[in-house]
Amino acid sequence: QKEVEQDPGPLSVPEGAIVSLNCTYSNSAFQYFMWYRQYSRKGPELLMYTYSSGNKEDGRFTAQVDKSSKYISLFIRDSQPSDSATYLCAMSDTLNYGGATNKLIFGTGTLLAVQP
Amino acid sequence: KAGVTQTPRYLIKTRGQQVTLSCSPISGHRSVSWYQQTPGQGLQFLFEYFSETQRNKGNFPGRFSGRQFSNSRSEMNVSTLELGDSALYLCASSITDQPQHFGDGTRLSIL
Repeated sequence: QKEVEQDPGPLSVPEGAIVSLNCTYSNSAFQYFMWYRQYSRKGPELLMYTYSSGNKEDGRFTAQVDKSSKYISLFIRDSQPSDSATYLCAMSDTLNYGGATNKLIFGTGTLLAVQP
Repeated sequence: KAGVTQTPRYLIKTRGQQVTLSCSPISGHRSVSWYQQTPGQGLQFLFEYFSETQRNKGNFPGRFSGRQFSNSRSEMNVSTLELGDSALYLCASSITDQPQHFGDGTRLSIL
């Protein structure tokens, strides 16, 4: 079983829809949770990051972390065709603090297509 | 501020050759990590360097190696290339307590 599970999709939604993307994980040591967006032929671009449990909002994007259920989500409101990309969740038990290492464990990514 | 820069963007090699990939981190970032991305395995951690020292290594054979220079720039080397090494190799940099920022990668194709 992989440490991080993510539905690969593809997920197709109409423009303006609310999109929900999710990941589950098994390692209870994970404390830092990130969402990256990756367009074709580009590197992953950081969208959101949160520490421990709770919600974080940035514009149309909301990240939720439920450590008790080992479940994280990314919500995209008013989705746009420009949101069409692969969304990757990533997790770490440390975040480059002092001498700590910086290894990220990624989900496989969800391919999202927003139809105009 | 310039992002993470990786060169070259594309490489074609044959089996048995070796290759060196380069990464220039964001200015001020001292941690550099490398990942391999393939359709089957997704993104997998290769290694991480901080102040010219390797702090962590993923589960890859010894053919994969890296180093970091005093200006934080990093290189990774793959020797005796195999067909399965075809992948997108991504470099990421970060500063203390902040998440990683990625470059656009080097697409390596092995013939």
